[in-house]
Amino acid sequence: AQRVTQPEKLLSVFKGAPVELKCNYSYSGSPELFWYVQYSRQRLQLLLRHISRESIKGFTADLNKGETSFHLKKPFAQEEDSAMYYCALYMNRDDKIIFGKGTRLHILP
Amino acid sequence: EAEVAQSPRYKITEKSQAVAFWCDPISGHATLYWYRQILGQGPELLVQFQDESVVDDSQLPKDRFSAERLKGVDSTLKIQPAELGDSAMYLCASSSTRGITDTQYFGPGTRLTVL
Repeated sequence: AQRVTQPEKLLSVFKGAPVELKCNYSYSGSPELFWYVQYSRQRLQLLLRHISRESIKGFTADLNKGETSFHLKKPFAQEEDSAMYYCALYMNRDDKIIFGKGTRLHILP
Repeated sequence: EAEVAQSPRYKITEKSQAVAFWCDPISGHATLYWYRQILGQGPELLVQFQDESVVDDSQLPKDRFSAERLKGVDSTLKIQPAELGDSAMYLCASSSTRGITDTQYFGPGTRLTVL
């Protein structure tokens, strides 16, 4: 069955340390992967998508089809990175998008 | 900057009552989505509109949920009768073109509590 797995509900990282938020997916077709973020008291918003291969706010994510992963990384965490992060999978065969359960990132001072 | 509007922001109701949520997408956005987000879960798509037409409502519990977008602009999601398990955040989003992979702009959500 198609699914998106974010194994960590909470990730605490010290400011200045590297960040890696894990996302694994299960889908037999050609996937498109996204990361969405929700800062405290703000709306859910798109952070980045794999097809853009861009860096947003210092975050990058590479689609690894062999490992079926799309981990979100940042070399040096900042306090303003504290937020809820959701990985999402678009399944082109079904024209549907599914979200993971999310990981709360807490940057420690 | 244009934003998606939703109302009410909070709704408390008793089970078996009817509730309705309203969403006003960003002006000019043809595609509108309703999501349900249960506490501790990610958003789950309930229904997708392209203009006034339903594109996908396969995850909408049609025995009690209904959604409409009569003039292809704002939209209403209704639950009748509400059940305890419907307690969740209901999110509306819009995008400028058809295509669920286009950037979706989310509203603030309506938090529903069913007692």
